Amino acid sequence: ETGVTQTPRHLVMGMTNKKSLKCEQHLGHNAMYWYKQSAKKPLELMFVYNFKEQTENNSVPSRFSPECPNSSHLFLHLHTLQPEDSALYLCASSQDRPGTSVYNEQFFGPGTRLTVL
Amino acid sequence: RKEVEQDPGPFNVPEGATVAFNCTYSNSASQSFFWYRQDCRKEPKLLMSVYSSGNEDGRFTAQLNRASQYISLLIRDSKLSDSATYLCVVNVEDSNYQLIWGAGTKLIIKP
Repeated sequence: ETGVTQTPRHLVMGMTNKKSLKCEQHLGHNAMYWYKQSAKKPLELMFVYNFKEQTENNSVPSRFSPECPNSSHLFLHLHTLQPEDSALYLCASSQDRPGTSVYNEQFFGPGTRLTVL
Repeated sequence: RKEVEQDPGPFNVPEGATVAFNCTYSNSASQSFFWYRQDCRKEPKLLMSVYSSGNEDGRFTAQLNRASQYISLLIRDSKLSDSATYLCVVNVEDSNYQLIWGAGTKLIIKP
């Protein structure tokens, strides 16, 4: 399935490195999300972009910096990460209708498994 | 108290058996409810929405109990391919884009 793609699939980085995660959705959706999934913990919503504007930022540390240049692409820029940031980072997209609270199914990418040494 | 709570399992179930698990949620303003499925080392995928009247999709039945604030998932005639982690998800009113996720219940179907 190629609805939502993420690169790289695996990333190992040192605490002083700078790297970026990329997400692309081919579904024509208008909302995109970054989630963090740690072992045995619930998915944690990090950022939401709707119509290319950031609408949610769940108190994520500034060492994570999102970028959404258009409705199909989403980046997560990483710098000076900590070992506890090691996790699976999932990108998702959905087609949302503004002004309503109707939930539309989120489609996920395969994730980037990040290890911070 | 966790906002969405699930028994982590694993539930070890023989093939062909019926299995059920629940998920409790703490926010009474919760509006929409879903079950997602996540296979090992894969991304979550929507399994089914949960409607107030309960709903069925093949071997899967979902129920909502608003009074007790829980939803359930029943799987009949379980298949080996049903082995996965089942994630309970809740959408709270006035929180358009935020889904509250449970940590998941791991199900292992044994031949």
